[in-house]
Amino acid sequence: AQKVTQAQTEISVVEKEDVTLDCVYETRDTTYYLFWYKQPPSGELVFLIRRNSFDEQNEISGRYSWNFQKSTSSFNFTITASQVVDSAVYFCALEQGGGADGLTFGKGTHLIIQP
Amino acid sequence: DAGVIQSPRHEVTEMGQEVTLRCKPISGHNSLFWYRQTMMRGLELLIYFNNNVPIDDSGMPEDRFSAKMPNASFSTLKIQPSEPRDSAVYFCASSLDRTKPNEQFFGPGTRLTVL
Repeated sequence: AQKVTQAQTEISVVEKEDVTLDCVYETRDTTYYLFWYKQPPSGELVFLIRRNSFDEQNEISGRYSWNFQKSTSSFNFTITASQVVDSAVYFCALEQGGGADGLTFGKGTHLIIQP
Repeated sequence: DAGVIQSPRHEVTEMGQEVTLRCKPISGHNSLFWYRQTMMRGLELLIYFNNNVPIDDSGMPEDRFSAKMPNASFSTLKIQPSEPRDSAVYFCASSLDRTKPNEQFFGPGTRLTVL
């Protein structure tokens, strides 16, 4: 069975600091997909990134970057120069196999950016 | 595009009553997912459909829960009879094509309170 662990329940940093959210996953499949979603206080779930198991290249999108390491089964998310608007709950998720099945979510990390 | 539409946004009901949650996926999307979010259990997949056919309902908690997708543009999740422990936010999501993993677009959710 698949599992996603986000060990950090809550992180609080001061604005402009860099912050990394950890994600560790478990799966028996060799083909799988990893996702990050953001849930702001308004409650909706916002897609941030999808990464497949065959692509370990790190990705950067503005202030966001993702580090995927199969050797440690981790898919960590870093926000550089954090802003108050980054305050939200961030979820890491796993989708097994090669098709679009349901997502297995981690419990989420509540990120608080203090001004 | 209007995105995934869910109704109602909020529902308060008394224990024992029937509750019906509704979802309209994004036009052209072939897969539809129902998730439940609670503080204790986080985000859980309940059931998903592909081309209106239920594929996996192993996440449905018990027989009181049922879901249907009579056509490509409408799905319902019904709880009968409802219990206080069913109180949660219920999300519907859709994605383009089950043959390959795509971003799942989430609706705004229905916040259900069972008294």
